Amino acid sequence: ILNVEQSPQSLHVQEGDSTNFTCSFPSSNFYALHWYRWETAKSPEALFVMTLNGDEKKKGRISATLNTKEGYSYLYIKGSQPEDSATYLCAFWGAGGTSYGKLTFGQGTILTVHP
Amino acid sequence: ETGVTQTPRHLVMGMTNKKSLKCEQHLGHNAMYWYKQSAKKPLELMFVYNFKEQTENNSVPSRFSPECPNSSHLFLHLHTLQPEDSALYLCASSQAGQYNEQFFGPGTRLTVL
Repeated sequence: ILNVEQSPQSLHVQEGDSTNFTCSFPSSNFYALHWYRWETAKSPEALFVMTLNGDEKKKGRISATLNTKEGYSYLYIKGSQPEDSATYLCAFWGAGGTSYGKLTFGQGTILTVHP
Repeated sequence: ETGVTQTPRHLVMGMTNKKSLKCEQHLGHNAMYWYKQSAKKPLELMFVYNFKEQTENNSVPSRFSPECPNSSHLFLHLHTLQPEDSALYLCASSQAGQYNEQFFGPGTRLTVL
């Protein structure tokens, strides 16, 4: 069974706080790691696709890092705003086994930013 | 607007009914996907179509039957479903391959009575 684990499951922060959460995935047979943001009543929306060990991506106040050797990725949000409230999903695309040819998603981290 | 539309948005059906979910993408993608989101579970891949050919069936029961008549349209035909099949069904599309982000539709909320 392929395990993509995200922590924490949920997070409450105050507006202006910076926060981060983790996605862990198998460290072998790595092809790509995707991050998606899923706001309530909307469709999941891609944030980043990360492919190389040491990758760092940034979009506005959101950034992500990737460590394929140890099998984890961090997502950071700087100066959280209420509109950042959403479920953040990571998904692993493997190079073999049960993860080959498809994305396997984690359960997500639910972020709530309080004004 | 994501460019991926799904109909209907909500569906209630009995266990003996036959219904179909429809997905359409206007993004020129060559891969389309069906995912299932059940309560308290991760988003789960059901089927993948690359260039209209099914390349993945993630051990989905035969009461779910996908159809991809062309690269822009994807259907999920439902028959004799069970109450535990009640879930949110999401369609997505992308350029084929692991390096390409997927674009999701709004989903169909299915309730099986």
